[in-house]
Amino acid sequence: DTGVSQNPRHKITKRGQNVTFRCDPISEHNRLYWYRQTLGQGPEFLTYFQNEAQLEKSRLLSDRFSAERPKGSFSTLEIQRTEQGDSAMYLCASSRPGTSLTDTQYFGPGTRLTVL
Amino acid sequence: AQSVTQLDSHVSVSEGTPVLLRCNYSSSYSPSLFWYVQHPNKGLQLLLKYTSAATLVKGINGFEAEFKKSETSFHLTKPSAHMSDAAEYFCVVSDQPGRRALTFGSGTRLQVQP
Repeated sequence: DTGVSQNPRHKITKRGQNVTFRCDPISEHNRLYWYRQTLGQGPEFLTYFQNEAQLEKSRLLSDRFSAERPKGSFSTLEIQRTEQGDSAMYLCASSRPGTSLTDTQYFGPGTRLTVL
Repeated sequence: AQSVTQLDSHVSVSEGTPVLLRCNYSSSYSPSLFWYVQHPNKGLQLLLKYTSAATLVKGINGFEAEFKKSETSFHLTKPSAHMSDAAEYFCVVSDQPGRRALTFGSGTRLQVQP
């Protein structure tokens, strides 16, 4: 496994701008997750895909946030009209096919967003 | 609703001494519990997981944790700390049927003194 990769690793933007992050899961992992981690806190779940279907969305995922996984491989997370409160580390994870709810989620290194 | 409470935000130990990181959980169902470690500028790495099999779970790098239902605890231990163990540790719960979201605690920063 080459691991979960995320790009960019760092993003600085001005308030009001749109940003997009990309996540490439481990190959053959059909489940993909997005989390957000603010300073001094644990990660918080945002959304989950199984193949291309978005099956879970957190209340944290406001209307300004949209996630896609068009071909069931990589995923993008877009934030429109960024606010300073969006500054955080955005983490992506993936897990392999299976029926167990305890499948291990493998995390990427994250994209750190700073909104000025 | 499920939740986890990590009782210490910072723990400092000397190299070669035991490590104890405390975690209590709240769950309406039979939980699965995990410990993840996060080193600076690296992704979260799974240390170990409990999934209703043996209550004493052994993980990587000499860590282990014991599931105690009566105390709703899942404390992480290691007999002898190494400098490379210095990192942020997260206790995590997953218990809601049909949901795959993980719920993380707020983390415990482990410092290892030489």
